Amino acid sequence: NAGVTQTPKFRILKIGQSMTLQCTQDMNHNYMYWYRQDPGMGLKLIYYSVGAGITDKGEVPNGYNVSRSTTEDFPLRLELAAPSQTSVYFCASSYSERTYEQYFGPGTRLTVT
Amino acid sequence: AQKITQTQPGMFVQEKEAVTLDCTYDTSDPSYGLFWYKQPSSGEMIFLIYQGSYDQQNATEGRYSLNFQKARKSANLVISASQLGDSAMYFCAMREGRRSGGSNYKLTFGKGTLLTVNP
Repeated sequence: NAGVTQTPKFRILKIGQSMTLQCTQDMNHNYMYWYRQDPGMGLKLIYYSVGAGITDKGEVPNGYNVSRSTTEDFPLRLELAAPSQTSVYFCASSYSERTYEQYFGPGTRLTVT
Repeated sequence: AQKITQTQPGMFVQEKEAVTLDCTYDTSDPSYGLFWYKQPSSGEMIFLIYQGSYDQQNATEGRYSLNFQKARKSANLVISASQLGDSAMYFCAMREGRRSGGSNYKLTFGKGTLLTVNP
């Protein structure tokens, strides 16, 4: 199993550009999450999904959108990138809400200039 | 108010010695879970250990143990016999129950402690 994979690993965006961060898991997990980690800080939840077709906002959803058309994929869309979105983005998954371990992807380092 | 507080921005320990990383939490919900994650310089998040609020025993996983003091609302991570590979950022996180408006989905993280193991 590859676990949770994320692409790209690094990206530089200009202000106002858009992009999609890809996240795929091959563990057949129902639950998937997007976090952001700002320098010197812990992770904050952006969006999460409890299954295909179902998504909901986390703590810091503004400026982002998600979709979940399949169990495996959970892309994160940034529209009109802003410098405040410079961060490291982590995707994670878990089997169910009763599972305490979330498996994390390697992260995407995004810089908006 | 901070839900998870890690008061040690950085800690140093000699190889083969034990080290304790502090974590205090704030919740009024009787049902919650506490987690520790390790983040090496490569950036990935690695799950280390979990403690449920109703668990009677302190959690242990190999060289990691969680010193859970419920009345003090602390969940300190103890790493025994430190190794050079333990040098990393360590995050404490909490999942609250539904009574506090939390869910089993959301983890709230502290700011982390950077551990350096000296040879």
